[in-house]
Formats: sequence, structure tokens, C-alpha cells
Amino acid sequence: QLQLQESGPGLVKPSETLSLTCTVSGGSISSSSYYWGWIRQPPGKGLEWIGSIYYSGSTYYNPSLKSRVTISVDTSKNQFSLKLSSVTAADTAVYYCARLSGTMTPDYWGQGTLVTVSS
Amino acid sequence: QSVLTQPPSVSAAPGQKVTISCSGSSSNIGNNYVSWYQQLPGTAPKLLIYDNNKRPSGIPDRFSGSKSGTSATLGITGLQTGDEADYYCGTWDSSLSAGLYVFGTGTKVTVL
Repeated sequence: QLQLQESGPGLVKPSETLSLTCTVSGGSISSSSYYWGWIRQPPGKGLEWIGSIYYSGSTYYNPSLKSRVTISVDTSKNQFSLKLSSVTAADTAVYYCARLSGTMTPDYWGQGTLVTVSS
Repeated sequence: QSVLTQPPSVSAAPGQKVTISCSGSSSNIGNNYVSWYQQLPGTAPKLLIYDNNKRPSGIPDRFSGSKSGTSATLGITGLQTGDEADYYCGTWDSSLSAGLYVFGTGTKVTVL
């Protein structure tokens, strides 16, 4: 059974960089059939797609976040990571990692991790 | 700000049917497959429907999806208290050069 698990600091100071890692188990991140992505949800609000990465390193980013986002992959560790720079309170959200099948459809999700931006 | 519009809430009694609409445009729903997600309180979203009307393994046939033009619909029959959740539609949007995946505004389903 495929499982995804987010990890990283739950509290980040304004203007600093948010860093999260997603560890994939029960399947290979190097599969040619899938992309891997990050999605976030501010408290009490809807879902926002952040971006995605293929095992080869090819990426897609949400244009509204592109200048601040970097997604990378480490196939040796079966992990992919998110970095979001210059964070503000508006970046406070639950961050989910997900496997993306077919047309970038998230079909398996991690449990999510709350990241709060506060001094 | 989402480009896919859903009603904020729908409700019905146990055993009844509800439908949730998702309205978009030719750059998203009109030319791409639609998926639907169920988010139970305090949990991660779960894929309910993909490719407009396909159900992943383990999803009961009480859940159905359809698409027509630039709109999509999720139907839930035989409503159960366990169906109380937020529901989101999603699809690829190719209006920008690179494209991005977009989600609907979300609909809260209440079982009366």
C-alpha cells in the first residue's frame, strides 16, 4: 500500500524559507507513470496546488507561487521536497504531498502537516 | 481564488440524493478530465472520482460523476451520515503557458 508522509518544521518565521520533505513508501518515486506534488490548504479554506515534479526532475509550478517555490526529488531516498521562500502569514496552511496520476490528478495523499508562519 | 465554482453547501436527509455542481471554462473543465475529492473533518482529501466518471477501487457506486461542456457534477445517492464532508472538484487548467491544476471552491455536504 502506497504511503506518503510529510515532515518538517511546524513553525517558520516571516521572511524565512519553509522546507518540507515527503517520504514515499510502498512504491517507487522513480515510476515512469507518476508525478509527485505539493498541495496546501489554509485553515478553514480550500485547496491550492503548489507544484509537481517527475523523477527526472521536470517540474510544474503554480504561476502565483513560482518565484518563491522550488521542488526537488531524491530518488535514492524515495523522497521529494518543497522549499517556499520569503514566507508570510498568508503561507500558514496544512501542506499535503501527493502522488499525481494521469492528468496530474492527486490520487494518493499524505496526512498533511500544519505549518504556521509566525515570529 | 479558484476558477472552478461550486455551491458552498448542500444538504439532504439520510437515504436521499445530492448533486454538487462544478462550473469552469473551456481552458479547464471543457478540455480536461475532472476529478472529485472527499475531505472528512480533520483528514486529508481522498480521491472519489477521476477521469470525469471513474471510481478508484474501494469507492462505492453511490458516488458518481459526469461532465457536460464546461461543467461537471458529483452525485451521491443513499446519503449516509458518514458522507458529511467537504467535496472538491479538480482539473488541469491550460489557460497559462505552463498550466496548473485547479480545485473548486468546495462544497460542504450536510446530512439532515
